[in-house]
Order: sequence, then C-alpha cells, then structure tokens
Amino acid sequence: AQSVTQLDSHVSVSEGTPVLLRCNYSSSYSPSLFWYVQHPNKGLQLLLKYTSAATLVKGINGFEAEFKKSETSFHLTKPSAHMSDAAEYFCVVSEAGGGADGLTFGKGTHLIIQP
Amino acid sequence: EAGVAQSPRYKIIEKRQSVAFWCNPISGHATLYWYQQILGQGPKLLIQFQNNGVVDDSQLPKDRFSAERLKGVDSTLKIQPAKLEDSAVYLCASSSTRRTEAFFGQGTRLTVV
Repeated sequence: AQSVTQLDSHVSVSEGTPVLLRCNYSSSYSPSLFWYVQHPNKGLQLLLKYTSAATLVKGINGFEAEFKKSETSFHLTKPSAHMSDAAEYFCVVSEAGGGADGLTFGKGTHLIIQP
Repeated sequence: EAGVAQSPRYKIIEKRQSVAFWCNPISGHATLYWYQQILGQGPKLLIQFQNNGVVDDSQLPKDRFSAERLKGVDSTLKIQPAKLEDSAVYLCASSSTRRTEAFFGQGTRLTVV
C-alpha cells in the first residue's frame, strides 16, 4: 500500500528566503512521486515529478525536489520565496506493481509568505 | 490543448436529493480519476478508470455514489441520496497512462444543506 506524510501542515517564510516543504512516502513498489500546488479557488497544478530517472528533479517556478530512497523522502525546495508562492502544496505518490495505482495525496502544507 | 472540463462549477442541494457531475478529460487520455476534496484536506481518490473499465473503486461509497465512463471518454459521478458530509469539491483528473502525472479540472463545489 502507498501513503504520503507531509510533515508540516503550515510553513511560514519571509519573501526572498529559502522554502523547504517536507514529504515522506511509503511504497511497496517503485514509486512515482509528484508535487502539486493549489492556489485559492484554483485547480491543482503539477509542479514537478519523479519517475525513476534523475533523483534531483526541477520543476516550474524555480522549485525542485530530491528523491532519497534511503530516507523515503521527497522534499520540495526553492532558493528564494516569492509572494506568489503562497498556496497549498500536496505531495503525491503512485506505485507500480499493485492493482491500484491511483495518485495518493498527502494532507497538504499551507505555505505562507511574509513580506 | 484543452484541459479537463467539469460542470457544473457549483451546486447546492438539500440532503437526500441527488446530484450528478460531468467530466470531459483531455483528448486521448486513457486514465480518468474522480477525487473528493473536503475543506482543509488533501484530495481522496473515489474511483479510477482505465478507458471504460474500473481500476479502483475501493474508496467509493457504493451505497450512494456511482460513476460511469461511457465509451472511455466522458464520465459522470452521481450521488443519491446526498448527505451533509458529502459537501466537498469533486475533482476530475485525467492522464495519458497510469502512473503518470494527472491533469485536474477546476472541480465542482458541492454544498449539501
């Protein structure tokens, strides 16, 4: 069975400082991992994805994430936060090998950007 | 490329009434998902289709929820009868194949009063 744990429900950073959103996953098979962003009253947008290629994945808007199998982690980072980054972020896992491989979402991390 | 289309955007119904949501996925996408997102929570998978077959409906409350994907394209999700706890945003998503990134529609916000 697959699952995702987002370690922080809220993260607050100042504009221009680094962002770190933490995600641990559990998977019985080789996982695909994703980060999605949801702005208020907007749809879910894919930030980046890991699908067993390079372990450091670059996404849109300056975000990146590193897949660490030994730590079962897939943390999302950005060097410098912008006010427009304020949103809800979801870590998502999908695994091969099982009959059910739908995307399993974490509970989300609310990112707050202080001016 | 057109995105995932959903309708209606908003719906308010009384408990015990029925409601239906419609989804048109991205053209050519074989996999279609319905998710339920309750306020303040992450989306929960209700049902996954591969073409017109069901891959996973283990979390679908089958006594009141039903879904179909005729001809492997459009899909409808129905709730009958609705309960107060069904108030949520219902998201439809599609992907070209299984285990790849999914593209989401804007969702239908359902309020049951």
